[in-house]
Amino acid sequence: DAGITQSPRHKVTETGTPVTLRCHQTENHRYMYWYRQDPGHGLRLIHYSYGVKDTDKGEVSDGYSVSRSKTEDFLLTLESATSSQTSVYFCATHAWTGTGELFFGEGSRLTVL
Amino acid sequence: AQSVTQLGSHVSVSEGALVLLRCNYSSSVPPYLFWYVQYPNQGLQLLLKYTSAATLVKGINGFEAEFKKSETSFHLTKPSAHMSDAAEYFCAVSEGTNFGNEKLTFGTGTRLTIIP
Repeated sequence: DAGITQSPRHKVTETGTPVTLRCHQTENHRYMYWYRQDPGHGLRLIHYSYGVKDTDKGEVSDGYSVSRSKTEDFLLTLESATSSQTSVYFCATHAWTGTGELFFGEGSRLTVL
Repeated sequence: AQSVTQLGSHVSVSEGALVLLRCNYSSSVPPYLFWYVQYPNQGLQLLLKYTSAATLVKGINGFEAEFKKSETSFHLTKPSAHMSDAAEYFCAVSEGTNFGNEKLTFGTGTRLTIIP
């Protein structure tokens, strides 16, 4: 258990509103990731971070931004939510390089109406 | 670029029967391969991983997988299915570059149903 907490766990919002999802970890892991899970697509990487203030884009980054001001927190922001961003969002971490094994949070279910 | 193909989005087996979930990968370098399991309304948890040691990998809950380079496959098996195995299973690949970008690429998942 990597001590990963996601908040909120469930959120319903309207198109055009900003949304921020938070991932908090207690293991001092260096690498953190945001994935989205959609039926028929599996998990797809949105953004990732390899240290404080060090972030990069994944394969589906359009419409999302991230920030990491502290090791333990990784924020995912939807500046103006769209219905296509309705999904389940997972945060993941791992402590060291080499094998890519990830530890996952329990997910945040976002519905954009 | 790395990729994963999981054959069969839904698999049903009878309780006590063999479970076989198929995964084929594509990678430009020797890969690291993973199987994750997701129970309803939960995150993913690691079942097993291949990291270039033994080609037959044993995981939790009686699952195992065999890395076959010639077939670019990493199929997941369990000799005897149990009702508690009902879940969604994801195969994933990483190229483990050691440069801070060992992003996992996931397959689309296989939902396993166990028939009593």
